[in-house]
Amino acid sequence: GAVVSQHPSWVICKSGTSVKIECRSLDFQATTMFWYRQFPKQSLMLMATSNEGSKATYEQGVEKDKFLINHASLTLSTLTVTSAHPEDSSFYICSARDLGESYNEQFFGPGTRLTVL
Amino acid sequence: TQLLEQSPQFLSIQEGENLTVYCNSSSVFSSLQWYRQEPGEGPVLLVTVVTGGEVKKLKRLTFQFGDARKDSSLHITAAQPGDTGLYLCAGRKAAGNKLTFGGGTRVLVKP
Repeated sequence: GAVVSQHPSWVICKSGTSVKIECRSLDFQATTMFWYRQFPKQSLMLMATSNEGSKATYEQGVEKDKFLINHASLTLSTLTVTSAHPEDSSFYICSARDLGESYNEQFFGPGTRLTVL
Repeated sequence: TQLLEQSPQFLSIQEGENLTVYCNSSSVFSSLQWYRQEPGEGPVLLVTVVTGGEVKKLKRLTFQFGDARKDSSLHITAAQPGDTGLYLCAGRKAAGNKLTFGGGTRVLVKP
């Protein structure tokens, strides 16, 4: 149980285009999903907390107009990187918390590698 | 300065040796989780500890939560090449919603 999927697993795009990444909880419901980015050989950095039916909460230094988050249902959150630039190239990972899990464990998706040319 | 400090940052050992990874903080956490991540993949949850002094075992892996719930350790006995990966500790504060990650420990087990 507790499977989180991401799509696509990798994407290459030209500078200036927008890219949408989907995150789904496959076998549980999640009112809260989290978006992280990870640079090579570094730990995960939280970008934003996505709440179903309400606006996302962004971490300091993360541009909300550049990283658009939509959490339309209890099983789906999307991250759109708008007008992507090479410095946005990174590994983006989503995570979801299982509502039914008493310890509030978070489960992570497999990640999406974004390369902006 | 990170809220959770992991040490060492990198560890290279021979197959069969033991290793310990530490996760330390000056803050108290209501729960702490350990993950292992392989290149190009998302972190996989290994264990969650919630009680001060708690010890959990997962085959050759032993996890300990400090009595004051500020630190944790991961001990691997007789490491195998399959244990190679990035080990991450992550904690959640009592009233918090966010999971804070340590800097990670990269473990390489050579055959």
